Amino acid sequence: DTGVSQDPRHKITKRGQNVTFRCDPISEHNRLYWYRQTLGQGPEFLTYFQNEAQLEKSRLLSDRFSAERPKGSFSTLEIQRTEQGDSAMYLCASSKFGQGGNTEAFFGQGTRLTVV
Amino acid sequence: DQQVKQNSPSLSVQEGRISILNCDYTNSMFDYFLWYKKYPAEGPTFLISISSIKDKNEDGRFTVFLNKSAKHLSLHIVPSQPGDSAVYFCAASRGRAGSYQLTFGKGTKLSVIP
Repeated sequence: DTGVSQDPRHKITKRGQNVTFRCDPISEHNRLYWYRQTLGQGPEFLTYFQNEAQLEKSRLLSDRFSAERPKGSFSTLEIQRTEQGDSAMYLCASSKFGQGGNTEAFFGQGTRLTVV
Repeated sequence: DQQVKQNSPSLSVQEGRISILNCDYTNSMFDYFLWYKKYPAEGPTFLISISSIKDKNEDGRFTVFLNKSAKHLSLHIVPSQPGDSAVYFCAASRGRAGSYQLTFGKGTKLSVIP
């Protein structure tokens, strides 16, 4: 399977705990995005990387959230001191940016986080 | 403030007929528009896109129309098939060569009845 891969698919955690999600993009894609989707809403942009550089962060990304893409390949999204309001589907997407512009973003299946 | 609006939460269509999904946007800086389809427990799947320099883009059974003056776009599916039943998201971005930060609508759930 050469699509965007996310791990885990589901995570249940207690309020106050830290969680980390992983995303493996399509191998030739240099851009990687994180989105969050809550019930009844469309995905909301959180942040994106071009190679290993984090180029943009949404106001939605509070100080408790941190994302990394250390080698320009896979990325991790960590949420510290989780709150019930963090319960959502966390989606990763990737695209290829080059001289011709940016390809469409391809999404992974998401990680569903439930904070109890 | 919702910059991309899909005012119909759901739509039911008979198999073989046309499905028309609508989307309105408020930000005049948006110049690239996409439609994604989402099945339950899966991530969104890219369907079709259109640049603001065009007013129509067609791909098989799917056609997207853009009316810039009305800030409105629509997705036509002809003929509709039961496998098209899914949630459809309209998305917009500023510049295809830019950051590609997508702003999504809330989605329209399409049910195609056999």
